[in-house]
Amino acid sequence: KAGVTQTPRYLIKTRGQQVTLSCSPISGHRSVSWYQQTPGQGLQFLFEYFSETQRNKGNFPGRFSGRQFSNSRSEMNVSTLELGDSALYLCASSLRGTSTDTQYFGPGTRLTVL
Amino acid sequence: AQSVAQPEDQVNVAEGNPLTVKCTYSVSGNPYLFWYVQYPNRGLQFLLKYITGDNLVKGSYGFEAEFNKSQTSFHLKKPSALVSDSALYFCAVKNASNTGKLIFGQGTTLQVKP
Repeated sequence: KAGVTQTPRYLIKTRGQQVTLSCSPISGHRSVSWYQQTPGQGLQFLFEYFSETQRNKGNFPGRFSGRQFSNSRSEMNVSTLELGDSALYLCASSLRGTSTDTQYFGPGTRLTVL
Repeated sequence: AQSVAQPEDQVNVAEGNPLTVKCTYSVSGNPYLFWYVQYPNRGLQFLLKYITGDNLVKGSYGFEAEFNKSQTSFHLKKPSALVSDSALYFCAVKNASNTGKLIFGQGTTLQVKP
């Protein structure tokens, strides 16, 4: 089975722009979660989607948004980019989206904001 | 609030020696505990998890972890370290009310010297 895929792998944007990142979960997985990884803050949860509904949200400003499609693929969007948004954005999928489910991570999208 | 602590930023061991990477947690209710490993410029790879049952959990690549409820710890161990084990290790926790949200520790860099 193919793993979690994320596109693009690398992005360079300037302040004020917006960006959309894409995540394709493992086939059959219904839950998708997004995380931001930075050297200073570590790994922080952004949001989780299950059956096209946002089920859980982390402590990020409204500039960060996401959605999930009927095929479980997910996108996240960051508007009005700031320098501090530079990070590795990781997507993870799980089969049933339960608390005991294992999350499997993609390789990430490295976003650099200039 | 849930939290995970990894008290050591870096652990150094010689190849062939046993290794331990420490993790303590704080969560309400029953904890669901996970270990992940991250190689440079890669996403997180799942190693093992504790949900319930036997306190000693065996995982991928010869790793195991011991759940200790009284000490709220979930230390990662391996009897004989390999140079290829050198990477960044993350401990994470969920509880029953958090379906898609993993709370991560800050990570521990494991350096295995030949």
